[in-house]
Amino acid sequence: AQSVSQHNHHVILSEAASLELGCNYSYGGTVNLFWYVQYPGQHLQLLLKYFSGDPLVKGIKGFEAEFIKSKFSFNLRKPSVQWSDTAEYFCAAGGGSQGNLIFGKGTKLSVKP
Amino acid sequence: AAGVIQSPRHLIKEKRETATLKCYPIPRHDTVYWYQQGPGQDPQFLISFYEKMQSDKGSIPDRFSAQQFSDYHSELNMSSLELGDSALYFCASRVRGGNNSPLHFGNGTRLTVT
Repeated sequence: AQSVSQHNHHVILSEAASLELGCNYSYGGTVNLFWYVQYPGQHLQLLLKYFSGDPLVKGIKGFEAEFIKSKFSFNLRKPSVQWSDTAEYFCAAGGGSQGNLIFGKGTKLSVKP
Repeated sequence: AAGVIQSPRHLIKEKRETATLKCYPIPRHDTVYWYQQGPGQDPQFLISFYEKMQSDKGSIPDRFSAQQFSDYHSELNMSSLELGDSALYFCASRVRGGNNSPLHFGNGTRLTVT
C-alpha cells in the first residue's frame, strides 16, 4: 500500500540548531517527492520537490532534502533554523503528473527564540 | 483510522464541461480546505469552510463554486472547464481550534481536461 510516514509529530528546537525531519515512503513505481510547509495563519506552500536527477534537492528558505532510494527516504534538512521556521511540515509522495498525492501526517516544528 | 476521502481519484472531462469533486473530512473535523496544484506548480489555495460557512477565499475562479454540507463533506463544482484547469485538487481537514489541530490531507483528485 502507498504510504508516507513522518517520524516526528512535534519537534522543538532552539534558534541556530540544525534540523532534520524524517520522511519515509512506500510507493510502487516511479515516485515524485515533495515537502510542503504551512506557516501559522497561512496556507500551504511548496518547499521543494524531487522528480529525478540530483538526489539532493534545494528548496526555498535554505531548506534541502535528500532522496535516498535504498532507504525509501526523503528527509528535510536545514543547517540553522530560525524562529520564523516555526510551522507545520508535510512530506508527500506522488506518481508524477498523472498521479495522486499521498501526504504524511505532518511534523510541527517549534523554534524557540 | 479514517482519513480524508476524496472522490473521484481521477476525472477526465472535455472543455466547457462541468465537474464536481467531493471531499469527505475525517469525522468530527469541521474545517475543510481546497487546493489546486497544476503540473510543476506550487499549490494554490482555493477556498475553505468552517461549520458549513465559507471561511476564506483564495484564487478560486468565478467558474468554480464550493460548499460544505451538513455532514461536513464539501463539494467543489467546476463549470466551463478549461485546459488550464487540469491539475491535482486536494482537500484537507482539521478540527478548528487555533493552529494546534493537525491538518489531514486527502489523496487528491486528478482532473484532466481535454
